[in-house]
Amino acid sequence: GENVEQHPSTLSVQEGDSAVIKCTYSDSASNYFPWYKQELGKGPQLIIDIRSNVGEKKDQRIAVTLNKTAKHFSLHITETQPEDSAVYFCASNHDRGSTLGRLYFGRGTQLTVWP
Amino acid sequence: SAVISQKPSRDICQRGTSLTIQCQVDSQVTMMFWYRQQPGQSLTLIATANQGSEATYESGFVIDKFPISRPNLTFSTLTVSNMSPEDSSIYLCSGGTTANTGELFFGEGSRLTVL
Repeated sequence: GENVEQHPSTLSVQEGDSAVIKCTYSDSASNYFPWYKQELGKGPQLIIDIRSNVGEKKDQRIAVTLNKTAKHFSLHITETQPEDSAVYFCASNHDRGSTLGRLYFGRGTQLTVWP
Repeated sequence: SAVISQKPSRDICQRGTSLTIQCQVDSQVTMMFWYRQQPGQSLTLIATANQGSEATYESGFVIDKFPISRPNLTFSTLTVSNMSPEDSSIYLCSGGTTANTGELFFGEGSRLTVL
């Protein structure tokens, strides 16, 4: 089955700096890569996603890049703010057979943005 | 996107009892899943809730322990049976509007503590 590795497990940055979280996956059939933000006491919130036919996607201060050859994808947050502090999860999915719609999650990154 | 409501949001239960968690989606979704998230950990898929038929369980999870119902496209229940302290966790319901896109949205979670 798919194996998603996520690094780092914790990340502390100063407000205004950039933060980068990296994930690798093992299944070359994976074709959908979402990122979730989970604030304390809440459910995961989808913040951005990318599909295997695209190399990069941006949404304001958030961007995600995908390298299919190397099987890794990254989340980039620029101009970080204290409200960006949360746990971020990467995930992957491949749309075939009995695993259709199933997400495989990384172990999460606790991001802390210091004011 | 889909808005997913879960209840209860939290509960404290006695060992040996059972608890049913309800999940309501505000729109019809193709797929619904139940995840478990132990404190400080990633999300682990318990099962796929299939409308009108038996759920599909992941390795390590069985129907006798986690019976699931999904009588229609917008509602599902997960029961945690014969609970032990090891079942203390956050249980998350998720739903996707279109299987092919892979986008999944999560409820706020149900935090169970078993004494």
